Amino acid sequence: GQQLNQSPQSMFIQEGEDVSMNCTSSSIFNTWLWYKQDPGEGPVLLIALYKAGELTSNGRLTAQFGITRKDSFLNISASIPSDVGIYFCAGQNYGGSQGNLIFGKGTKLSVKP
Amino acid sequence: DAGVIQSPRHEVTEMGQEVTLRCKPISGHDYLFWYRQTMMRGLELLIYFNNNVPIDDSGMPEDRFSAKMPNASFSTLKIQPSEPRDSAVYFCASIIRQGAFGYTFGSGTRLTVV
Repeated sequence: GQQLNQSPQSMFIQEGEDVSMNCTSSSIFNTWLWYKQDPGEGPVLLIALYKAGELTSNGRLTAQFGITRKDSFLNISASIPSDVGIYFCAGQNYGGSQGNLIFGKGTKLSVKP
Repeated sequence: DAGVIQSPRHEVTEMGQEVTLRCKPISGHDYLFWYRQTMMRGLELLIYFNNNVPIDDSGMPEDRFSAKMPNASFSTLKIQPSEPRDSAVYFCASIIRQGAFGYTFGSGTRLTVV
């Protein structure tokens, strides 16, 4: 089945630094999504990307849908302590089974004040 | 809207006991999903429903797991008998319609089987 490779698995950064994480797939997706999971909570949608090549920003977050439709990256600029959590990429296909939201294993972000 | 509501938040049970997890999706959402999250395997889709009907249960690990959705506002995931390897966080998520993007997740139920 489809699988997503998300990297890095974890990051330890200093407050104020920029962060970059990415996701690759062996097959294409129609939509790429990025979620953040705070400790003890469920994942919350941060950004959704609908078109190959699309670059979308949400505050300090920027994400891009790769031109091949097999990859995506998420950047966080000027990190702050509340950015701590696990970030998941997810690929989604529509027009078929709604079960096709495939998640990466996550990138655990730690921010040192 | 209160979002997707799951209960209990934490459950500790002994091996062999029956466990029932509950979920209330967002009102008006037609699709409901059950996921399991572990360190080793990440987020795994167990089963999903459309208009209260189970559509794909291929992710259910074995016959000890069962899920029901008796109406549009309530779903249960049952494990009987429970085993220590079932220990995980179980999430419920819902979405409004086919073609919409992204799911809304509940806060999860952390299950520990001892």
